Amino acid sequence: EVQLVESGGGLVQPGRSLRLSCAASGFTFDDYAMHWVRQAPGKGLEWVSGISWNSGSIGYADSVKGRFTISRDNAKNSLYLQMNSLRAEDTALYYCAGAYSSSWGNWFDPWGQGTLVTVSS
Amino acid sequence: QSALTQPRSVSGSPGQSVTISCTGTSSDVGGYNYVSWYQQHPGKAPKLMIYDVSKRPSGVPDRFSGSKSGNTASLTISGLQAEDEADYYCCSYAGSYTLYVFGTGTKVTVL
Repeated sequence: EVQLVESGGGLVQPGRSLRLSCAASGFTFDDYAMHWVRQAPGKGLEWVSGISWNSGSIGYADSVKGRFTISRDNAKNSLYLQMNSLRAEDTALYYCAGAYSSSWGNWFDPWGQGTLVTVSS
Repeated sequence: QSALTQPRSVSGSPGQSVTISCTGTSSDVGGYNYVSWYQQHPGKAPKLMIYDVSKRPSGVPDRFSGSKSGNTASLTISGLQAEDEADYYCCSYAGSYTLYVFGTGTKVTVL
């Protein structure tokens, strides 16, 4: 069964850091680019960051550039998102998603169930 | 990069057809044939319904179809069913700097 399972979310104060993880199973992880997509409560989807299969290409949305760092470990079938200098507007459900591609991919499938990040004092 | 524009809501009776528009610019929707559509039921993760403008993944009913004209993409649901009631989001590749932009989302209601 194809599965993505996110973890690491929680309540954090503004300005602090958090590291999200995404464990993949049921598919060949290094055949896929991987992405983080977030959804603020009651709002729409927003692409956050993506990484190619071999970590050779990395991209970020302007809203997180310079604060978030994406990485992956193909030996562990895992994706990560290091989030620093967190702000209230980073509060969201963070999904990891795969994109079958040697570069970025043109669509997102599969998706995890998400991990909730709440930034509040 | 601004979000792609979708109608806030559309509705139809069972068996009818509804179409959701997704309007962007020549830098995203109009510039690439990389538009995808996602269905999201409340409390659930998004599900891929259409990719590369008009292709359906295995397992997605052929009631769902996609198209594009200029800077506007569209998702049509034919023969609307109760289980189609959900939020729908379009997404487009937007080039090597911005990468991806999602639509504002459309709530489909089955009357």
